[in-house]
Amino acid sequence: EADIYQTPRYLVIGTGKKITLECSQTMGHDKMYWYQQDPGMELHLIHYSYGVNSTEKGDLSSESTVSRIRTEHFPLTLESARPSHTSQYLCASSEYLGDYEQYFGPGTRLTVT
Amino acid sequence: QKEVEQNSGPLSVPEGAIASLNCTYSDRGSQSFFWYRQYSGKSPELIMSIYSNGDKEDGRFTAQLNKASQYVSLLIRDSQPSDSATYLCAQGGGFKTIFGAGTRLFVKA
Repeated sequence: EADIYQTPRYLVIGTGKKITLECSQTMGHDKMYWYQQDPGMELHLIHYSYGVNSTEKGDLSSESTVSRIRTEHFPLTLESARPSHTSQYLCASSEYLGDYEQYFGPGTRLTVT
Repeated sequence: QKEVEQNSGPLSVPEGAIASLNCTYSDRGSQSFFWYRQYSGKSPELIMSIYSNGDKEDGRFTAQLNKASQYVSLLIRDSQPSDSATYLCAQGGGFKTIFGAGTRLFVKA
């Protein structure tokens, strides 16, 4: 079972601020993902990474950016937060080889006022 | 077109009954399938993985895979109120896992 951490767990921030959501995992997983999920709605993949220096956009258009400088760390950045960015952001990871089971972090609930 | 389809529910069953959750998928090449449980306000938690045709049992949970018919199901025996959650079906293989929209399950005490 993966250990995957997200900080902050809750964030309320004003429009126009730059924010970075942190995600770290300790299992050495090569693949990491960011999902966006509104309450009661489905998961939307917004970014993923196969490994260090590899990032791809997901299925849902997002104004966020990601980086993967270290295997264990996959931060997501919003340069200028807007109320439409209010949502839950979930980070996940999985092994590159194997059964593609994804393990999720606890999530960050973001509110932009 | 969605690649993994689930009935959104809600599915309501009495305590102690068997809950049956179903999922269909479109990618015949996929080799791995997963069921995740998501409580309200929490992140998804992996509860079952299945890779070959047939049944796989783990405690009160049984996953069933039928590749010819392209469906996956999850049976929960002796359902408990604590099983009330949204259950996500997912199809693996390749670099991305495809998630269904989830089925909401309510277990009435």
